[in-house]
Amino acid sequence: DIVMTQSPDSLAVSLGERATINCKSSQSVFSSANNKNYLAWYQHNPGQPPKLLIHWASTRESGVPDRFSGSGSGTDFTLTISSLQAEDVAVYYCQQYYSSPRTFGQGTKVEIK
Amino acid sequence: QITLKESGPTVVKPTQTLTLTCTFSGFSLRTNEVGVGWIRQPPGKALEWLALIYWDDDKLYSPSLNSRLTITKDTSKNQVVLTMTNMDPVDTATYYCAYTNWGAFELWGQGTMVTVSS
Repeated sequence: DIVMTQSPDSLAVSLGERATINCKSSQSVFSSANNKNYLAWYQHNPGQPPKLLIHWASTRESGVPDRFSGSGSGTDFTLTISSLQAEDVAVYYCQQYYSSPRTFGQGTKVEIK
Repeated sequence: QITLKESGPTVVKPTQTLTLTCTFSGFSLRTNEVGVGWIRQPPGKALEWLALIYWDDDKLYSPSLNSRLTITKDTSKNQVVLTMTNMDPVDTATYYCAYTNWGAFELWGQGTMVTVSS
């Protein structure tokens, strides 16, 4: 199994400031066959289903604000919220879909400082 | 517009079998690369991937739960069914089904809470 480890477990950021979440996979999720990283980021609010934000490590899903960006390759990835808004308070998960089982990270809770 | 909705019992007793149905619209499980997965979240814990079925009937299961899970599809009814045997209180969770076209879960159902209690 590919183990996904996120850091930190939680962070508090002032409104308008940058939030950075890291995700490390125990094995590479990069495919040289198509030059893609099989890594997604989700936003999860209580009482709501998770929402896909980023796929292929850096491709924003349609409708996702451009303050959200994903980067990284191989085993190390980052989700950045460039200017935190109140509505961004949530738990964020990374997930690999390179192989089965499709594993999630443990989640990072983002709060307002 | 793609929608998914989970249905099933809200309470099951320990040792019983849980059967959950995901009814979807806006896509077909006959379409190449399309799949439906199941993911759960125990209270206060992280998301846990359970199973995934593809348009070609390829099935993937969580190794830790493999012996207890069965996923099937009924393309004529636009449904995917997940069964989990020998339920235990640790299986108490919100269960989600989700749509995938190429790997990541693009859209999720609202989820259904299942409590395991005698």
